[in-house]
Amino acid sequence: DQQVKQNSPSLSVQEGRISILNCDYTNSMFDYFLWYKKYPAEGPTFLISISSIKDKNEDGRFTVFLNKSAKHLSLHIVPSQPGDSAVYFCAARDNYGQNFVFGPGTRLSVLP
Amino acid sequence: KAGVTQTPRYLIKTRGQQVTLSCSPISGHRSVSWYQQTPGQGLQFLFEYFSETQRNKGNFPGRFSGRQFSNSRSEMNVSTLELGDSALYLCASSLEGQQETQYFGPGTRLLVL
Repeated sequence: DQQVKQNSPSLSVQEGRISILNCDYTNSMFDYFLWYKKYPAEGPTFLISISSIKDKNEDGRFTVFLNKSAKHLSLHIVPSQPGDSAVYFCAARDNYGQNFVFGPGTRLSVLP
Repeated sequence: KAGVTQTPRYLIKTRGQQVTLSCSPISGHRSVSWYQQTPGQGLQFLFEYFSETQRNKGNFPGRFSGRQFSNSRSEMNVSTLELGDSALYLCASSLEGQQETQYFGPGTRLLVL
């Protein structure tokens, strides 16, 4: 049973528009969340994180929103650029563990 | 600073064989974690090594094992390969206590025929 779910395997967005990637989790003990971006033939790279004490974290064009009651987080990319085309993984960690549980990923395609 | 390197990048094996993958962490990083990535499953945690000791282990059978050397380089071994072991194996390194920003290598793509 997947504890971290990304129900959209793929997403296509026009350049300049907003990309919204969603992630749901089942474990209420998760208290720290990350988003990673992965290009083909490369390892994932850290993008942005959020602690459960916050509901929003922003870094440039990237903003992550956390809704603890819904066990849902989302990554917003505004404006989307063709270079953002990649697979995005959501990951979560509980406050007892030291390791992250990853979602299956969402492939984002930003069309020029 | 050089990134995490993994060798080999690609590997083809047959069922029943064993395989050893290697990971060299970023200089100064003492923690190395291994993940298996398969389509639709995301990254699944295999194990983590720190100072030559396995610190955490994921839910994988005993056919999957690893070790870490005194220079922090790590190897993982899979014995008696099965078709389902075909995957991208990723290694990530981090400073102690900084798992939140671990750095991944490019991975080794293993195909089991």
